[in-house]
Amino acid sequence: AQKVTQAQTEISVVEKEDVTLDCVYETRDTTYYLFWYKQPPSGELVFLIRRNSFDEQNEISGRYSWNFQKSTSSFNFTITASQVVDSAVYFCALNAGGTSYGKLTFGQGTILTVHP
Amino acid sequence: DGGITQSPKYLFRKEGQNVTLSCEQNLNHDAMYWYRQDPGQGLRLIYYSQIVNDFQKGDIAEGYSVSREKKESFPLTVTSAQKNPTAFYLCASSIQLTNEKLFFGSGTQLSVL
Repeated sequence: AQKVTQAQTEISVVEKEDVTLDCVYETRDTTYYLFWYKQPPSGELVFLIRRNSFDEQNEISGRYSWNFQKSTSSFNFTITASQVVDSAVYFCALNAGGTSYGKLTFGQGTILTVHP
Repeated sequence: DGGITQSPKYLFRKEGQNVTLSCEQNLNHDAMYWYRQDPGQGLRLIYYSQIVNDFQKGDIAEGYSVSREKKESFPLTVTSAQKNPTAFYLCASSIQLTNEKLFFGSGTQLSVL
């Protein structure tokens, strides 16, 4: 069985603060993919990143960075110098192979509010 | 612009009524999905389709039905058997049923009168 846990239900920060969103996953598959999606108030989920289980390199994209650690089954997401436009619900998701191929298991989501 | 269109944005269901949520995509994607979102529970997979005229149950298919007669369209019917239908429904698509990223529509909020 697959499971994704985002322990932080809500996070509130002031603009320009750095914030880290935690994601812990469980799977028995050795090949799997991890994702982060952003859901702004408009409702649709927007893809942010995909990483496969064989690539543990951290990734940086502008103010966004991701830390993937297989040893702790974590795929954490950091926003540097947060902005009001970063306010959204963020989802971590897992896609494993075998019979689960093509289907995402989502975490509960973290509501991020950035105050001016 | 290519994308996924869901309609209506808001939908109300009366007791014992079936309602259908529309999902259309012009991305030429083979795979399509329906997810249900409840507050604090993330997204859960209802049905998915790998190709036209084929679809499979997801984790919470009871009380729902789908069809995939055209590549572009994947409507979801919420039947009267679904006793707790109030939720936000999201349609998504991907190039194939693989590990590729999903593209999402803007969702339909279904409420019970």
